[in-house]
Amino acid sequence: QVQLVESGGGVVQPGRSLRLSCAASGFTFSSYGMHWVRQAPGKGLEWVAVISYDGSNKYYADSVKGRFTISRDNSKNTLYLQMNSLRAEDTAVYYCAKGRSMVRGVIIGWIFDYWGQGTLVTVSS
Amino acid sequence: DIQMTQSPSSLSASVGDRVTITCQASQDISNYLNWYQQKPGKAPKLLIYDASNLETGVPSRFSGSGSGTDFTFTISSLQPEDIATYYCQQYDNLPPTFGQGTKLEIK
Repeated sequence: QVQLVESGGGVVQPGRSLRLSCAASGFTFSSYGMHWVRQAPGKGLEWVAVISYDGSNKYYADSVKGRFTISRDNSKNTLYLQMNSLRAEDTAVYYCAKGRSMVRGVIIGWIFDYWGQGTLVTVSS
Repeated sequence: DIQMTQSPSSLSASVGDRVTITCQASQDISNYLNWYQQKPGKAPKLLIYDASNLETGVPSRFSGSGSGTDFTFTISSLQPEDIATYYCQQYDNLPPTFGQGTKLEIK
């Protein structure tokens, strides 16, 4: 069965950095684009970033562009999110999600069919 | 960015009721619309993809319809385990965007 397990969250001061990881199992990780989606406390869902199956294509939300970097290691079945210059408004639960496409050959799927349990990032002095 | 507007924001209904949530896109998104269920303290779960396709394993009381800018999500007979917040999500344009959510409670 598909499993996504995030780690790396915690409390960090504004301006500092944090790296999140998402360990994947139960599917061919190297065949799917992967996403990060976040949810601020008591708020709705916000898409953060995506990386294609081979790492060649990456896209970011404007709110994190230039500060966050998505990457993956297909040999370790692991997705990462490097978060630099963190701000209070980055406080949220961060979910990794597997992307599915119903169209053959599309390198990034935008149907979030499996999600991890989330890891909480709190940016506070 | 494409704005997704869900209504209502909250809803109280009785077990067995038919429940309908609407989602309106700020521009034509064809059928690139998904619906998710999120229970308190849990990750979202995919229920409906491409506007009307039921995800494998999801009970048939859930359904979706619509295309273009106007979409509907329906629970045909509300069950106690359906208490959750429901979100629509478009993926016609980058960035993918979510509705603000509809919190469903039992009356």
